[in-house]
Amino acid sequence: DIQMTQSPSTLSASIGDRVTITCRASQSVSDSLVWYQQKPGKAPNLLIYRASSLKSGVPSRFTGSRSETEFTLTISSLEPDDFVTYYCQQYRFYPWTFGQGTKVEFK
Amino acid sequence: QVQLVESGGGVVQPGMSLRLSCAASGFSISSHAMYWVRQAPDKGLEWVAVMSHIETNNYYAESVKGRFTISSDNSKNTLHLQMDSLRVDDTAVYYCVRGSRDWYFDLWGQGSLVTVSS
Repeated sequence: DIQMTQSPSTLSASIGDRVTITCRASQSVSDSLVWYQQKPGKAPNLLIYRASSLKSGVPSRFTGSRSETEFTLTISSLEPDDFVTYYCQQYRFYPWTFGQGTKVEFK
Repeated sequence: QVQLVESGGGVVQPGMSLRLSCAASGFSISSHAMYWVRQAPDKGLEWVAVMSHIETNNYYAESVKGRFTISSDNSKNTLHLQMDSLRVDDTAVYYCVRGSRDWYFDLWGQGSLVTVSS
């Protein structure tokens, strides 16, 4: 199985900060990676697909990038609604696997 | 409106069975891969099962293989997950999810809580 190692598990930040979350795949998944945002008690919401494509309607402060097996989600300027949990997931190979999640909390 | 609505969750004892349903609207489930994904309390996401729209085989996570069965009723545009021999560690919110053309998960239901406890 492909292991997705996501870091950090918790990120402390303030409104307006620029933050980066990293996800590393145990082997190449090409650009078959998505990022989700999950609010408490809600289903995950797709932000980024194909490593760097922004889903329609998602604010442009969210960007995704890839360098070989390392993927990053960057939020350019945190807003109050962004202090929730983020997951990466690879969809190149069965079984589909997720990162462990990153909780963005108020500093 | 394009949406997925799960039902059928509840509290059961270990060893018992439960059947989840997922009613789709606004699109045809026969045109998409359809998935079940679960999330144990305060834990991460785990893919459980997939029903492909382009092949007859279904696939399961090792943790549920032989106990869970994914199926569909295309006439009712509804996906099911039959869960047998339930264990305490199957306790989770179960999400019904639609696959995009590129196989990523592009539409999620609101989730259905399954609690396995004696």
